[in-house]
Amino acid sequence: SQKIEQNSEALNIQEGKTATLTCNYTNYSPAYLQWYRQDPGRGPVFLLLIRENEKEKRKERLKVTFDTTLKQSLFHITASQPADSATYLCALDGGFQKLVFGTGTRLLVSP
Amino acid sequence: DVKVTQSSRYLVKRTGEKVFLECVQDMDHENMFWYRQDPGLGLRLIYFSYDVKMKEKGDIPEGYSVSREKKERFSLILESASTNQTSMYLCASRLGAGGEETQYFGPGTRLLVL
Repeated sequence: SQKIEQNSEALNIQEGKTATLTCNYTNYSPAYLQWYRQDPGRGPVFLLLIRENEKEKRKERLKVTFDTTLKQSLFHITASQPADSATYLCALDGGFQKLVFGTGTRLLVSP
Repeated sequence: DVKVTQSSRYLVKRTGEKVFLECVQDMDHENMFWYRQDPGLGLRLIYFSYDVKMKEKGDIPEGYSVSREKKERFSLILESASTNQTSMYLCASRLGAGGEETQYFGPGTRLLVL
């Protein structure tokens, strides 16, 4: 069956460290993958898109990698700040122009 | 900036009631979506629309219907609300048909069915 897996346990890190979040998928062949940020009680906000022919994408302190062999995307936040605390969702090409979302990983950055 | 608004942030309804959730976007987007979000299950697509009066079923359409009479407005209808429809409902819009295009989400409606 098709699955998208993100770590359901919260990730706790210290301010200034690099946070790394994982998105694994099974039985999909996505042409692209997106990452979104969601704050409590709010809708998700788009952060980054990476296509299957791109190994890495960067935007300010954010970096995303996409390994189609491992069927995995890694999302990194460098020099993390308490304001980065949120839930991060990966979403991939589910075919027929639809996005399929993972359940998200909650990141907590302590001062 | 794209703005997607939803008619209510919180709703409490009784079992069997007909419920309307409305979504409006202000950027002339072609595509609009309704998701529900539940703990441990993530966002699941209920219905989407790629044009006025057009709709497509998502992954969990049972118990729901939709209406898109105007380009900017997409309504989700629960014909007879049930307790298992208690959830956070999120509307989103997207400019074009390309799946890789950014989806813009509204703030969500938290629905409680008693």
